[in-house]
Amino acid sequence: EIVMTQSPATLSVSPGERVTLSCRASQSVSSDLAWYQQKPGQAPRLLMYGASTRATDIPARFSGSGSGTDFTLTISSLQSEDFAVYYCQQYNDWPPYTFGQGTKLEIK
Amino acid sequence: QVQLVQSGGEVRKPGASVKVSCKASGYIINFYGISWVRQAPGQGLDWMGWISPKNHNTSIAQKFQGRVTLTTDPATNTFYMELRSLRPDDTAIYYCARASQPADYWGQGTLITVSS
Repeated sequence: EIVMTQSPATLSVSPGERVTLSCRASQSVSSDLAWYQQKPGQAPRLLMYGASTRATDIPARFSGSGSGTDFTLTISSLQSEDFAVYYCQQYNDWPPYTFGQGTKLEIK
Repeated sequence: QVQLVQSGGEVRKPGASVKVSCKASGYIINFYGISWVRQAPGQGLDWMGWISPKNHNTSIAQKFQGRVTLTTDPATNTFYMELRSLRPDDTAIYYCARASQPADYWGQGTLITVSS
């Protein structure tokens, strides 16, 4: 199965800052990479699919890039509502559609 | 609007089984599969399997094979995930999600607690 590795595990940032989260696949997943945001007590929310396409109603401050094995999610200017855990997931090879272990964005 | 409404939380003893339901509405059901994902307390997301509402084909992650059965009732647009031989480490929130791929709409989650 494809192993997804996210870094860092935790990121302490201030509102207004630009932040980049990384996700690496153990083998190529082409552009079949999604990003999710999860807040405490809530289900995950799809942010990005196809590595760089924003899902419905996702603000333009979120952008994604990469293909093959290396991917990034960038938030251009962090808002208070963006502090959450972010997961990447590959949907190129299954089963299973594997998730990364998550990156927690916390307020500095 | 797309909605996935899951059944309520359950408590089970080790060795027992549990069946979680997920009622879908607001879209053409046959156009999308349903994935099941679980999340242990304080942990990440773990993809369990997928079912097609069109032909009822399923794909189950190897770690769950033999213990998980995914089914669907087309008459009520309801999907089910049954997990057998429960262990304490199966304690988790279980989510269903519309699998376009990737999963774009999620249920609210069902907490399954396994404890003696």
